[in-house]
Amino acid sequence: DAGVIQSPRHEVTEMGQEVTLRCKPISGHDYLFWYRQTMMRGLELLIYFNNNVPIDDSGMPEDRFSAKMPNASFSTLKIQPSEPRDSAVYFCASSVVTRAYSNQPQHFGDGTRLSIL
Amino acid sequence: SQQGEEDPQALSIQEGENATMNCSYKTSINNLQWYRQNSGRGLVHLILIRSNEREKHSGRLRVTLDTSKKSSSLLITASRAADTASYFCATDEGGSTLGRLYFGRGTQLTVWP
Repeated sequence: DAGVIQSPRHEVTEMGQEVTLRCKPISGHDYLFWYRQTMMRGLELLIYFNNNVPIDDSGMPEDRFSAKMPNASFSTLKIQPSEPRDSAVYFCASSVVTRAYSNQPQHFGDGTRLSIL
Repeated sequence: SQQGEEDPQALSIQEGENATMNCSYKTSINNLQWYRQNSGRGLVHLILIRSNEREKHSGRLRVTLDTSKKSSSLLITASRAADTASYFCATDEGGSTLGRLYFGRGTQLTVWP
């Protein structure tokens, strides 16, 4: 089975440019998460969706960040304009909640390594 | 913070030795999960232990959970160089945060051949 697919794997761009990260979750999963990982701050949850609806975006650092999930098989995280401090690895993950209302494991993509010059 | 905290931050051992990592958390949970992250890759789920369980095994992994102390431990027995990775605990608190996991900062394990 295909796992969570993220693209691109690496992105290098100059500050001020728009950056779009893409994610395809595992089919049948109803939760999708966007995380950012840095050495300084560890793994931070940016936003998560349930059935394509944003549930909590309190982790989105600034208005420069936006995320969408137009359908169950695709999500984007956009940064506009980008700044050097946005450099990090961005992960997408998906999961499903069982009828017992307990989370099953989250499945992570291999991330997008973003460098803003 | 609702995040779990792993201890130690870094652990260095020889192949064949056992590795023990600890996780402490602050609130009541539905379950606690452990993940591994190899360099340059995403996190991979290892094992899940529910709040009504005290111990769970999976291959060379043994996880314990003490809800009274709000702590968990991950034991890797007979470690191998391939076990070198970062290990994270994550808590599922359910309720209004249904779906979300709270991850700790991780323990960096290095296993020397």
